[in-house]
Amino acid sequence: AQKVTQAQTEISVVEKEDVTLDCVYETRDTTYYLFWYKQPPSGELVFLIRRNSFDEQNEISGRYSWNFQKSTSSFNFTITASQVVDSAVYFCALRMDSSYKLIFGSGTRLLVRP
Amino acid sequence: DGGITQSPKYLFRKEGQNVTLSCEQNLNHDAMYWYRQDPGQGLRLIYYSQIVNDFQKGDIAEGYSVSREKKESFPLTVTSAQKNPTAFYLCASSMKWLAGALSTDTQYFGPGTRLTVL
Repeated sequence: AQKVTQAQTEISVVEKEDVTLDCVYETRDTTYYLFWYKQPPSGELVFLIRRNSFDEQNEISGRYSWNFQKSTSSFNFTITASQVVDSAVYFCALRMDSSYKLIFGSGTRLLVRP
Repeated sequence: DGGITQSPKYLFRKEGQNVTLSCEQNLNHDAMYWYRQDPGQGLRLIYYSQIVNDFQKGDIAEGYSVSREKKESFPLTVTSAQKNPTAFYLCASSMKWLAGALSTDTQYFGPGTRLTVL
């Protein structure tokens, strides 16, 4: 069975703190794709990153970084020096190469306080 | 500007009424999707269409119907058969899904429609 678990329901940090959002996935497929989306209070899901299962290189984009580890089936997301504008719900999602379906985790609500 | 539009932003429905949610995209994407989001939960797939005049049921299709007469448009009808329709509805689109496609499957989302049944 395929599944995405985001165990952290809510995280609250003070501005400028670093924060890591956890994502653990389950799949038996050898080829799959992992995604992170941001959902600000307006509701629209904003695409952040896509990762292929055969590429374990970590990625950094400004204050955002992603740590993909196949050995632990994890795809964690770190925000460095968080800002109030980072406050949102963040979703991790999984797609197997054999399917069109995106399987979402339940999301982590991040609150960055000034 | 290229993107996905959904209308209306807020919709109120009386019990027993059918309502139609609009989704339009000008990204020239082949595939379109409808998701439902309930408070504190992830997204669940309602319907999916990879090509005009063709669509497939997702995980929670009961009480919903769709059509795909044009590439740009994928309207969702919430029928009176849907027992608990109050939710946030999100439309998405992507390039055509193909097994082995490396970079064309990313789904991009519209701003959503919040439906409330009175």
